[in-house]
Amino acid sequence: DAMVIQNPRYQVTQFGKPVTLSCSQTLNHNVMYWYQQKSSQAPKLLFHYYDKDFNNEADTPDNFQSRRPNTSFCFLDIRSPGLGDAAMYLCATSRDGRGRGNEQFFGPGTRLTVL
Amino acid sequence: GENVEQHPSTLSVQEGDSAVIKCTYSDSASNYFPWYKQELGKRPQLIIDIRSNVGEKKDQRIAVTLNKTAKHFSLHITETQPEDSAVYFCAAGINAGGTSYGKLTFGQGTILTVHP
Repeated sequence: DAMVIQNPRYQVTQFGKPVTLSCSQTLNHNVMYWYQQKSSQAPKLLFHYYDKDFNNEADTPDNFQSRRPNTSFCFLDIRSPGLGDAAMYLCATSRDGRGRGNEQFFGPGTRLTVL
Repeated sequence: GENVEQHPSTLSVQEGDSAVIKCTYSDSASNYFPWYKQELGKRPQLIIDIRSNVGEKKDQRIAVTLNKTAKHFSLHITETQPEDSAVYFCAAGINAGGTSYGKLTFGQGTILTVHP
């Protein structure tokens, strides 16, 4: 009955080697978010989609891109990972931020290691 | 943009005692305030939330209070148990239309340790 699924759970990549993290949801939620969480810190929003409408945070590096081919799937692409990009990446969904519930449902996360 | 400050960063209590975590926010337009619990290596999970039309909300041993005028909100856990040990995050968001789409700004987190 998993609702927000992230694959892989652990990803190891080399410095500068592109990597893609995936998220899928069975909730049919309009909104999908990608967060970066470093050890002992709060989740930091990178970007989010409302349906196909992409919203980038002002301080998200250009190195981070995202794709949402359909309602269920969303991908995080890191074009040239640096050592500072090692973190837990959390995907979350919410039904509709406009005048309804904002509750966000988080996936289990993908822990990215950069060698 | 919104800025959320959370205190304390660590909190240690004895089992059975109460724990209080406080957050302040900067954007008066924020009207949705959830609290998430994150156990080590696991996903954040919503434990309680409050909207700006309510001053207090309670769910068993957990309660949240909101002071809109002062722009602060607090989490209260009574009769703490060792399984309450985790990192707790507060957050603030705008439950409205436009480009916000319900995005949240998180506080820095509080590591709660409940000693048996």
